[in-house]
Amino acid sequence: QITLKESGPMLVKPTQTLTLTCSISGFSLSPSGVAVGWIRQPPGKALEWLALIFWDDDTRYSPSLIHRLTVSKDTSKNQVFLTMTNMDPVDTATYFCAHREYFGDLMFAFDVWGPGTAVAVSS
Amino acid sequence: EIVLTQSAGTLSLSPGERATLSCRASQSVSSNYLVWYQQKPGQAPRLLIYGASNRATGIPDRFSGSGSGTDFTLTISRLEPEDFAVYYCQQFSSWTFGQGTKLEMK
Repeated sequence: QITLKESGPMLVKPTQTLTLTCSISGFSLSPSGVAVGWIRQPPGKALEWLALIFWDDDTRYSPSLIHRLTVSKDTSKNQVFLTMTNMDPVDTATYFCAHREYFGDLMFAFDVWGPGTAVAVSS
Repeated sequence: EIVLTQSAGTLSLSPGERATLSCRASQSVSSNYLVWYQQKPGQAPRLLIYGASNRATGIPDRFSGSGSGTDFTLTISRLEPEDFAVYYCQQFSSWTFGQGTKLEMK
């Protein structure tokens, strides 16, 4: 059974750097094709895709946030990390990590999500 | 970047009615890349449909997806009380989400 769980600070100050951890179980980060994504959701607003990391450490980032984001992983510890620099109150959101499943015929989806971790940005 | 527009912000319907939710892309998207999620308050999104028309494991057959090119639709044939939630489409070409449609009970 695949599970993911996000962890990190609940509160950060403006201009600080946020680091979140996604701890996974039920799958490994090393096999070809595996990927984990990060998504956020400000209170009462829509989902926003942030980043994706693949088994081979290839990464993709939201064009609007690429200059602030870094995603990495520690395969041996079954963890994926998201770093976001220069935090601002508008970055207040619940941050989710999710497992990207490949269903064949080039069909993909985030099939299992963590419960999310709420991060507030305030001085 | 592909922008997904879900035209109805809120849809007010009654249990037993049919719901039709729209998702329009700013440019053509492979139907293989179109995904639908359901989200209830305080919960993570739940995968409903992948590849535009394939139900995920455990999803009731009252949920169906269709469409191609720039126009995609999620249909719920007969609404059950537990179906009232927010629905998002997503495309896996550049991973963007639509802004969501809230399905509320009339």
